[in-house]
Amino acid sequence: GENVEQHPSTLSVQEGDSAVIKCTYSDSASNYFPWYKQELGKRPQLIIDIRSNVGEKKDQRIAVTLNKTAKHFSLHITETQPEDSAVYFCAASKGSNYQLIWGAGTKLIIKP
Amino acid sequence: GAVVSQHPSRVICKSGTSVKIECRSLDFQATTMFWYRQFPKQSLMLMATSNEGSKATYEQGVEKDKFLINHASLTLSTLTVTSAHPEDSSFYICSAQGGTKGSNSPLHFGNGTRLTVT
Repeated sequence: GENVEQHPSTLSVQEGDSAVIKCTYSDSASNYFPWYKQELGKRPQLIIDIRSNVGEKKDQRIAVTLNKTAKHFSLHITETQPEDSAVYFCAASKGSNYQLIWGAGTKLIIKP
Repeated sequence: GAVVSQHPSRVICKSGTSVKIECRSLDFQATTMFWYRQFPKQSLMLMATSNEGSKATYEQGVEKDKFLINHASLTLSTLTVTSAHPEDSSFYICSAQGGTKGSNSPLHFGNGTRLTVT
């Protein structure tokens, strides 16, 4: 079955700098790759997603890139702000059933 | 946008009792409901997938007789933790597939239920 690995587990960056979180997946049939932000005790919130027919997607300070050949995708956050501090999860699914396989999560800490 | 209402948000129960968690899709039809469990500082672990009107499909290692899932309508799914034990203490979250046009996400999460078994 699908396996999603996420790195790093913790990432500390200076406010204003960029943050990059990487994920790899094992099932080449996976075609949907969302990124979620979760604050303590709250539900995950979708921040950006990408499908396998696209290589890159941007939404203001957030971007996701997908390399299907290498089976990895990355989250890029530019001009980080204190409110970006949270745990970020990548996930993957295939077909029309959005049964997500989740990465282990990255705790992002923005230092003032 | 599409909203999933999950309750209770917090529940404390005694060992051996049962707890029911409800998830309702308020403005759309949830064709599929996913139930997750999340332990502190860990990722979401899929417990089961349910489609309206049919039996849930459980992930390996999840006891179907202990975690009863009912998805009797397109707007309501329930998870009942039977004979709860302290090790069942966790954060339980539902996620509904479906949604209104214009939604930017195919999945909609409930707010989660913090279960503590004493």
